[in-house]
Amino acid sequence: SQTIHQWPATLVQPVGSPLSLECTVEGTSNPNLYWYRQAAGRGLQLLFYSVGIGQISSEVPQNLSASRPQDRQFILSSKKLLLSDSGFYLCAWSFVTFNEKLFFGSGTQLSVL
Amino acid sequence: DAKTTQPNSMESNEEEPVHLPCNHSTISGTDYIHWYRQLPSQGPEYVIHGLTSNVNNRMASLAIAEDRKSSTLILHRATLRDAAVYYCILYNFGNEKLTFGTGTRLTIIP
Repeated sequence: SQTIHQWPATLVQPVGSPLSLECTVEGTSNPNLYWYRQAAGRGLQLLFYSVGIGQISSEVPQNLSASRPQDRQFILSSKKLLLSDSGFYLCAWSFVTFNEKLFFGSGTQLSVL
Repeated sequence: DAKTTQPNSMESNEEEPVHLPCNHSTISGTDYIHWYRQLPSQGPEYVIHGLTSNVNNRMASLAIAEDRKSSTLILHRATLRDAAVYYCILYNFGNEKLTFGTGTRLTIIP
């Protein structure tokens, strides 16, 4: 069976510090991978998605970036965090076929102070 | 991308059926209708999806209007564990992504 791991669960970072959130998927090959962000009381905003190693599509201009160094690894990064980067970050994956459902990780609650 | 409209919140009594509506008047012929739910401090969970015909699974039923401009998620017998935010989403053919709106916050009254 497939599993998705996302860490850390919570993170408190000062403004201007770097960020690295990691997500890995087990039990499948060549999944589609996604990063979403949810601000407090808001819906989910798609940040990045990837259909293969090194292939990253960005949905929203921002100071965040994503990388996919391995088939089942997806990393969200920032060189300098802003207060507005606070939120609940979710990694998700899907099979690489049309109309497949998303499987979400447990999320990272990021507070930028 | 086609948009969906859902009520911000709904309440239902425990052990009664719940009908969660979703409007998607600009849906295209190749858009699938997906439903997810999110419990507090957790990632969303897939509930059900469909294209034209009504669908049933162990979690819920999905009723799709004949013109496909609206749909209804049906929880047949609500429990306290069904309290969550429910998202109705259109999966756009050819796009490798799902875009979530703000959803409906469902409260279950004991």
